[in-house]
Amino acid sequence: DTEVTQTPKHLVMGMTNKKSLKCEQHMGHRAMYWYKQKAKKPPELMFVYSYEKLSINESVPSRFSPECPNSSLLNLHLHALQPEDSALYLCASSQNYDGTGEDTQYFGPGTRLTVL
Amino acid sequence: EDQVTQSPEALRLQEGESSSLNCSYTVSGLRGLFWYRQDPGKGPEFLFTLYSAGEEKEKERLKATLTKKESFLHITAPKPEDSATYLCAVQSYSGGSYIPTFGRGTSLIVHP
Repeated sequence: DTEVTQTPKHLVMGMTNKKSLKCEQHMGHRAMYWYKQKAKKPPELMFVYSYEKLSINESVPSRFSPECPNSSLLNLHLHALQPEDSALYLCASSQNYDGTGEDTQYFGPGTRLTVL
Repeated sequence: EDQVTQSPEALRLQEGESSSLNCSYTVSGLRGLFWYRQDPGKGPEFLFTLYSAGEEKEKERLKATLTKKESFLHITAPKPEDSATYLCAVQSYSGGSYIPTFGRGTSLIVHP
């Protein structure tokens, strides 16, 4: 089973709202990722968690706050977003991040976020 | 810095018309090359991982090959349901980072 699940599928929020995106995997993977994807562009890395610790933050604005409660779950907390933050937000997981094993990333279906 | 270039940017085929998509890369020490299929508004679906030059992998109508400078995704007798964007990504050892670098993708449309 190579399934990564994400909720919600769609989210519309105002610039003053606080919302969260959720991601879950049960493949025993130790690395989890958040990506942002705009239309007709490749996925753009935001955060990497390895063994539940934040390993990479690609200079993402503080209005995006990631959280990894356990090895299977990854959250992305959203606050005071801007309309330009509207995009498809993708979660991915891989067995490892540190190059010691299988690094293939498996993606979830994404959350379509619209900021009004 | 790793670089990945996919060509063509867009490709239109008739059903049954075989073709190839190209992914050329420049990396310092390839760890892996990945192919994904992405339907509009959905997450990328994993297709193949290739690790070394000369390696080939197949799945239904798709076959991926790897050389030291590029990878090809061959589509044999495509069907309309093969229409999607195909993404290539490479992972290298450079700078201690193992984050894949994605190409911009090839948008494939197969007409019935």
